[in-house]
Amino acid sequence: GNSVTQMEGPVTLSEEAFLTINCTYTATGYPSLFWYVQYPGEGLQLLLKATKADDKGSNKGFEATYRKETTSFHLEKGSVQVSDSAVYFCALSAPGNTGFQKLVFGTGTRLLVSP
Amino acid sequence: DGGITQSPKYLFRKEGQNVTLSCEQNLNHDAMYWYRQDPGQGLRLIYYSQIVNDFQKGDIAEGYSVSREKKESFPLTVTSAQKNPTAFYLCASTPKPGTYEQYFGPGTRLTVT
Repeated sequence: GNSVTQMEGPVTLSEEAFLTINCTYTATGYPSLFWYVQYPGEGLQLLLKATKADDKGSNKGFEATYRKETTSFHLEKGSVQVSDSAVYFCALSAPGNTGFQKLVFGTGTRLLVSP
Repeated sequence: DGGITQSPKYLFRKEGQNVTLSCEQNLNHDAMYWYRQDPGQGLRLIYYSQIVNDFQKGDIAEGYSVSREKKESFPLTVTSAQKNPTAFYLCASTPKPGTYEQYFGPGTRLTVT
């Protein structure tokens, strides 16, 4: 079946450090891939997406490249800020019943950035 | 401003009571979804609706019910049959059923004692 595996957190970094959060997936066909971010007490917001192999999604300094050969979509940022502290979810779209696109989420990785 | 509203933000109920969580959107989106989030777990799909007056079970529909009488509204009822109802509930929507990007509401934290 379709699934997403993320590295366990929390990931603890100092401000301006380099961030990598690993995400690998298992899917039939060619899913689209997403990173969502959840700030404390809030819903999820789409951070970036990639719809085909070798695509790079980017937003707010975050990047992720769709690697079909390694079935990965790792999230990176060159210099994190305290305001980046949040939970990050990797997700893929998969066809569900009746033709709708279902999102399959990883378990989330908490990022804590200290000043 | 367009968006998704969920109310209330925190909800407390006694075991054995049904409770209804509100979800309203003014984005004119066709499709709406309910997810459950538990600590250390990803989001799990409870129900979804692609058009008015139609909805489908997701992965964990047991103990829940929904209705979709209006395009902008998709309330979720947590019934007494749901064995572990305490969780964070998130509502989402997409413009069309086949689109990928989901827009999320702020969530409702339900505590049942």
